[in-house]
Amino acid sequence: AQKITQTQPGMFVQEKEAVTLDCTYDTSDQSYGLFWYKQPSSGEMIFLIYQGSYDEQNATEGRYSLNFQKARKSANLVISASQLGDSAMYFCAMKHLETSGSRLTFGEGTQLTVNP
Amino acid sequence: ETGVTQSPTHLIKTRGQQVTLRCSSQSGHNTVSWYQQALGQGPQFIFQYYREEENGRGNFPPRFSGLQFPNYSSELNVNALELDDSALYLCASSLNRGRGYTFGSGTRLTVV
Repeated sequence: AQKITQTQPGMFVQEKEAVTLDCTYDTSDQSYGLFWYKQPSSGEMIFLIYQGSYDEQNATEGRYSLNFQKARKSANLVISASQLGDSAMYFCAMKHLETSGSRLTFGEGTQLTVNP
Repeated sequence: ETGVTQSPTHLIKTRGQQVTLRCSSQSGHNTVSWYQQALGQGPQFIFQYYREEENGRGNFPPRFSGLQFPNYSSELNVNALELDDSALYLCASSLNRGRGYTFGSGTRLTVV
């Protein structure tokens, strides 16, 4: 079974500073994908970044980067130069790539607050 | 290109009633997944439809059922509503069960 653990229920950061949101995962699969989503109070899940288990380079998307440490089974999200609009709930999720039912398994989330 | 649209946005139902939630996929997407997100928790996978057939199901009872139509829009039906069914229901579409999911804003269901 797949499991995602996010140990930080809440995080605070000053505007313009960087912040790291932790995510560890547990799977026996060799081929999987890791996702980070942002969920503002409106409810929509906004895709931020993706890392495949066989990708050798850490993924980056603008101000978002993923610190992927496969041996430690961690996939931490780094947000650089935080903005007030980054305040939201952040979810780490995993997908098993080898089966046809492409479900996402989500963690419990981290509530990020960016202070001015 | 339009995103994923869900309706209604909010709904209040009485325990024991039935409810139908609707989702229009992003243009070009043929796969739809449904998730239940209880307050303060991460989303839980309910099921997925690919080309009008159920293609994976999470740990939800049979009173949760769905449909996908030829235009790839989808419905989630819940019978015999229970108080614990109160949650945000999210729909996500993708192409060929790929990794590019687009989520809607959800339907917030309250069961009283």
